Amino acid sequence: DSGVTQTPKHLITATGQRVTLRCSPRSGDLSVYWYQQSLDQGLQFLIQYYNGEERAKGNILERFSAQQFPDLHSELNLSSLELGDSALYFCASSQPSMRGNTIYFGEGSWLTVV
Amino acid sequence: TQLLEQSPQFLSIQEGENLTVYCNSSSVFSSLQWYRQEPGEGPVLLVTVVTGGEVKKLKRLTFQFGDARKDSSLHITAAQPGDTGLYLCAGRDHSGNTPLVFGKGTRLSVIA
Repeated sequence: DSGVTQTPKHLITATGQRVTLRCSPRSGDLSVYWYQQSLDQGLQFLIQYYNGEERAKGNILERFSAQQFPDLHSELNLSSLELGDSALYFCASSQPSMRGNTIYFGEGSWLTVV
Repeated sequence: TQLLEQSPQFLSIQEGENLTVYCNSSSVFSSLQWYRQEPGEGPVLLVTVVTGGEVKKLKRLTFQFGDARKDSSLHITAAQPGDTGLYLCAGRDHSGNTPLVFGKGTRLSVIA
């Protein structure tokens, strides 16, 4: 158990819909990261938050957005869903300094768009 | 954009065999990490290497960081079925201040 909690674990939804994925980081971790994992693209960095503020942005689509709340939990919002958005979405967290620190991954949220 | 190329993409071996998987890039990394991911779980960190030429051992696993800090290898001695999983390498650029970039992984299957 990494200490990072993600909900829901599985989600099936239709194209055009919107979903919200939730992440609770490890106790004391200020940084939260979102990654998307698909068979053809591997693990792709989407976005990072640090203590409530956006710190870095990767290959995140405009249809996707995220935020980190004062209690440090984070949500990833996916809208106007397409079939290609079907993937495993991971949240990870780390200690305050990004440099060389270990990041801990949750078990992921498996999204299937039909 | 930094890219990490992992090879082979798939590897199926018999229990007791040795294997090496590779992680290559044209970019220099301040540090490189290896993760193992099992089905239904998130990646779990195995090791971090930060110095060019560094070698680290974790039981039957040996990790090496290239002298130029552009590549790394993972060698497993006497593979066991429990070694089965997806092995991912991940690196941060020379500044050390960017999020981890992951390779696509090597999917290892060790058959008893």
